[in-house]
Amino acid sequence: SQQGEEDPQALSIQEGENATMNCSYKTSINNLQWYRQNSGRGLVHLILIRSNEREKHSGRLRVTLDTSKKSSSLLITASRAADTASYFCATDAWSGGSNYKLTFGKGTLLTVNP
Amino acid sequence: EADIYQTPRYLVIGTGKKITLECSQTMGHDKMYWYQQDPGMELHLIHYSYGVNSTEKGDLSSESTVSRIRTEHFPLTLESARPSHTSQYLCASSAVGTVSTDTQYFGPGTRLTVL
Repeated sequence: SQQGEEDPQALSIQEGENATMNCSYKTSINNLQWYRQNSGRGLVHLILIRSNEREKHSGRLRVTLDTSKKSSSLLITASRAADTASYFCATDAWSGGSNYKLTFGKGTLLTVNP
Repeated sequence: EADIYQTPRYLVIGTGKKITLECSQTMGHDKMYWYQQDPGMELHLIHYSYGVNSTEKGDLSSESTVSRIRTEHFPLTLESARPSHTSQYLCASSAVGTVSTDTQYFGPGTRLTVL
């Protein structure tokens, strides 16, 4: 079963507006990461938030984590056309020994219109 | 920009052909991964490696095989390609983590089409 699931599936906004994407997951995690993927390209890491953190900032990005609700949100402020991409949350899962694997959600497709 | 490379970027081949997708990284990372991603869908882990001579199957069953003879190189091979293998294949790497997952660095992907 899928660990991380983003909401909404697609979001279209105007340049300058804020964009909020949500991620829900099912089992306990050590950390949660957000990645961005431009069309037809590989993923780029944006931000990692650990299970003992509630909020983290990086430039125009703000990530929150609520472990009691098993959910996270990614806020992009003052969006730009160049922010148009798919955004994925990824949660870690133990895979044996001291090793962990990432499980990705289906992503949110963000379109920022000029 | 991550130092992880994939070739070819695009590949269109006929059914039954043997193909190898190349992935290499220059960051000295021990962990490497192969993901399969259909358009607009999530990534599915198909293979991973925690070091030289270590390979494991991922969450999604795949007819492909991998090898890890050198730290920097993690090729994926399909012995006999079929139309159902049409997809995007993403390679990633990460440094050795301690108690949880490290950031993964992704290559640009190989978009495979099997006719």
